[in-house]
Amino acid sequence: DGGITQSPKYLFRKEGQNVTLSCEQNLNHDAMYWYRQDPGQGLRLIYYSQIVNDFQKGDIAEGYSVSREKKESFPLTVTSAQKNPTAFYLCASSIGRGGNRYEQYFGPGTRLTVT
Amino acid sequence: AQKVTQAQTEISVVEKEDVTLDCVYETRDTTYYLFWYKQPPSGELVFLIRRNSFDEQNEISGRYSWNFQKSTSSFNFTITASQVVDSAVYFCALRPLIQGAQKLVFGQGTRLTINP
Repeated sequence: DGGITQSPKYLFRKEGQNVTLSCEQNLNHDAMYWYRQDPGQGLRLIYYSQIVNDFQKGDIAEGYSVSREKKESFPLTVTSAQKNPTAFYLCASSIGRGGNRYEQYFGPGTRLTVT
Repeated sequence: AQKVTQAQTEISVVEKEDVTLDCVYETRDTTYYLFWYKQPPSGELVFLIRRNSFDEQNEISGRYSWNFQKSTSSFNFTITASQVVDSAVYFCALRPLIQGAQKLVFGQGTRLTINP
């Protein structure tokens, strides 16, 4: 089945450690995104990528880094510079790049807890 | 600046009641897309509908219907004869129709609880 996978579902880290969240899609989508969701709030865009080897900062990129070496994969690293890393992280993808269909499809999310 | 407001933080109704979730948006763009997503307790966002700014026709899909009114910048979502499985957080989102613009602007969400 086509879809987006994120692993793990729950992740626990100690403060000061970098952690990488995985996102893989087999939908053959060009564009991929990372969002952060805090309790009672909407989603905020961290980074997005429209094509392999290219990505742009979203609204809250500070303390995060990404790479896009393969079309299927868009891992997010939460660095120790991120002041409040505990949150629910959602990865999404869309056809993008001139496609007429703009809906984004989301993965199941990773809940990161940093203590 | 673009903004989406979902003024209803939480709604609780009894099963079989009709319920409307409000969404008001702000944008200076003349062309844009609007979306509704459902987030069940599992956490994954499920795409429900996309509407472009040129199409003001209301849409119905089973028990779901959407009322887009450009004059009031609103895109409201109604669930008819609600069911317990409709319990979730619902998000309204806005996206400009510009080549390369990949950003979705989300409202804060409305938590809908359907009680048996």
